[in-house]
Amino acid sequence: DGGITQSPKYLFRKEGQNVTLSCEQNLNHDAMYWYRQDPGQGLRLIYYSQIVNDFQKGDIAEGYSVSREKKESFPLTVTSAQKNPTAFYLCASSALRGQGGYTFGSGTRLTVV
Amino acid sequence: GENVEQHPSTLSVQEGDSAVIKCTYSDSASNYFPWYKQELGKRPQLIIDIRSNVGEKKDQRIAVTLNKTAKHFSLHITETQPEDSAVYFCAASKDQKLVFGQGTRLTINP
Repeated sequence: DGGITQSPKYLFRKEGQNVTLSCEQNLNHDAMYWYRQDPGQGLRLIYYSQIVNDFQKGDIAEGYSVSREKKESFPLTVTSAQKNPTAFYLCASSALRGQGGYTFGSGTRLTVV
Repeated sequence: GENVEQHPSTLSVQEGDSAVIKCTYSDSASNYFPWYKQELGKRPQLIIDIRSNVGEKKDQRIAVTLNKTAKHFSLHITETQPEDSAVYFCAASKDQKLVFGQGTRLTINP
């Protein structure tokens, strides 16, 4: 899976429920990111982290939370405060200095039922 | 913050013809410009990138050009093939945080 693994592939959430999406990388990358993709649209940044125990809000952070307790892991929690969570969620990682390119996970498709 | 505009949103070309997708960015400090290809339901894959100290870069049938003055960059695909059909995203960054364009759905007609 190119060194970055997202799970699960599909996730169903009931109204009012919190769910957590997993993202793990073994590329020794410093930075990790969460993007949301809606049908026919581009990728919008939710949260990112450039170092362990530190993370920053992206453009659409409301209703989401993250943690970065280990370099390899950057889980995303979709809380009940996120009113329209149905989307395709992509995790990515990159080396912090000079390399530039992101490696993406295979994505999690979240559906509210 | 950075804003990236991408055009066209859809593009249909005959197999063997060339395809061009254009992007503009707003932050003159951006210095890294990658292009990603995403097939239906799959992850985006990096296909080519360019840094601000370079004007053009080629990789077989794919090329990217950058005009820093005008804050434009473009993806050129020559001799298009059916497997080139996908959604293509441009992006720009200056501090490792990528801002993506809205995407272009490219269809290659046989």
